[in-house]
Amino acid sequence: EPEVTQTPSHQVTQMGQEVILRCVPISNHLYFYWYRQILGQKVEFLVSFYNNEISEKSEIFDDQFSVERPDGSNFTLKIRSTKLEDSAMYFCASTGDDTEAFFGQGTRLTVV
Amino acid sequence: KNEVEQSPQNLTAQEGEFITINCSYSVGISALHWLQQHPGGGIVSLFMLSSGKKKHGRLIATINIQEKHSSLHITASHPRDSAVYICAVRKGGSNYKLTFGKGTLLTVNP
Repeated sequence: EPEVTQTPSHQVTQMGQEVILRCVPISNHLYFYWYRQILGQKVEFLVSFYNNEISEKSEIFDDQFSVERPDGSNFTLKIRSTKLEDSAMYFCASTGDDTEAFFGQGTRLTVV
Repeated sequence: KNEVEQSPQNLTAQEGEFITINCSYSVGISALHWLQQHPGGGIVSLFMLSSGKKKHGRLIATINIQEKHSSLHITASHPRDSAVYICAVRKGGSNYKLTFGKGTLLTVNP
């Protein structure tokens, strides 16, 4: 069965450092997403990506965040200067045209 | 106000019981998803619905578009069904992004 793969599974970083979270979406999917879940809270939308550009972003996705699809298979989320409040589980998801969403296992980011 | 509301927030059942989790939403949608999240965090898609009813094994999902309401039923519940069940909606438009409810924590005791 196809799956979305995320690496690393857990990342600990110091406040102010840059982190890159990596995702390999399902190969024939067209739409790619990053969501985050702060511990004990609901999952929140960060950004969607289609046709090699951002199609929508939330208020959370400020200038500290960026996304890239550098090589046609990987989909990355970069946080330029991490803050304590960026600590969360980050989920990558992908979907085809009007199909169900497939989620990765998540990357737990801890900012210390 | 949350656009997606789930009830109950927490549910404890005995093995074998029939379980219902409810989801109400306040916006126009093109599809509704039921998702499962186990401890450790991974999210698995259970159903995507735009009308009617779907069944997969012991799981049944229904949706009433006019009433903006969906239910997830688990028949003959088992301790391995213990997880957080999340309702998420896809609003109209071509983006397909999801708006999530807070989830229902289900614990099934042996």
